[in-house]
Amino acid sequence: DSGVTQTPKHLITATGQRVTLRCSPRSGDLSVYWYQQSLDQGLQFLIQYYNGEERAKGNILERFSAQQFPDLHSELNLSSLELGDSALYFCASSSSGTNTGELFFGEGSRLTVL
Amino acid sequence: SQQGEEDPQALSIQEGENATMNCSYKTSINNLQWYRQNSGRGLVHLILIRSNEREKHSGRLRVTLDTSKKSSSLLITASRAADTASYFCATDRRNDYKLSFGAGTTVTVRA
Repeated sequence: DSGVTQTPKHLITATGQRVTLRCSPRSGDLSVYWYQQSLDQGLQFLIQYYNGEERAKGNILERFSAQQFPDLHSELNLSSLELGDSALYFCASSSSGTNTGELFFGEGSRLTVL
Repeated sequence: SQQGEEDPQALSIQEGENATMNCSYKTSINNLQWYRQNSGRGLVHLILIRSNEREKHSGRLRVTLDTSKKSSSLLITASRAADTASYFCATDRRNDYKLSFGAGTTVTVRA
């Protein structure tokens, strides 16, 4: 058990819909990372937050947004969903604020868009 | 695009044999890490090697890093069925807060 909790574990929705994925980092970790894993794109970095502030942005679509709340949990919002958004979405946390260090991954949220 | 690329894409070995996989990357790095992922599960950190280190050991794992060739290797000795998983290398660069993953090597250990 990594100590990182992601909900929901599975989600099935239709094209055009909006979903919210939630992540609770390990106790004490200030950094939260979001990754998307699909068969054709592999593991893609989406976005990183540190203590509530966005610190790095990757290949995140404009239809996607994220935030980290004062209690350090994070949410990833995916809107206007397309079939290609079907993937496993991982959250990871780290205690490091100055460099990446070891990431602790949650078990992921599997999104299926029909 | 991925920073690291693993080779081979897939590897099948007998229990007790060693498994070696390689990772090549494109730009100068700060650290290189290896992660394991069991099917459909979250990634688990295995080992981190800094850019000024050349070799590191952890249990049955041995990692090497050659910054001149921009490559790393992961050796798993005396493999077990439980080592069946996908293995990913990941790199980060100085003052860059993201960790970039390669496409992974799928290892199957046959009993």
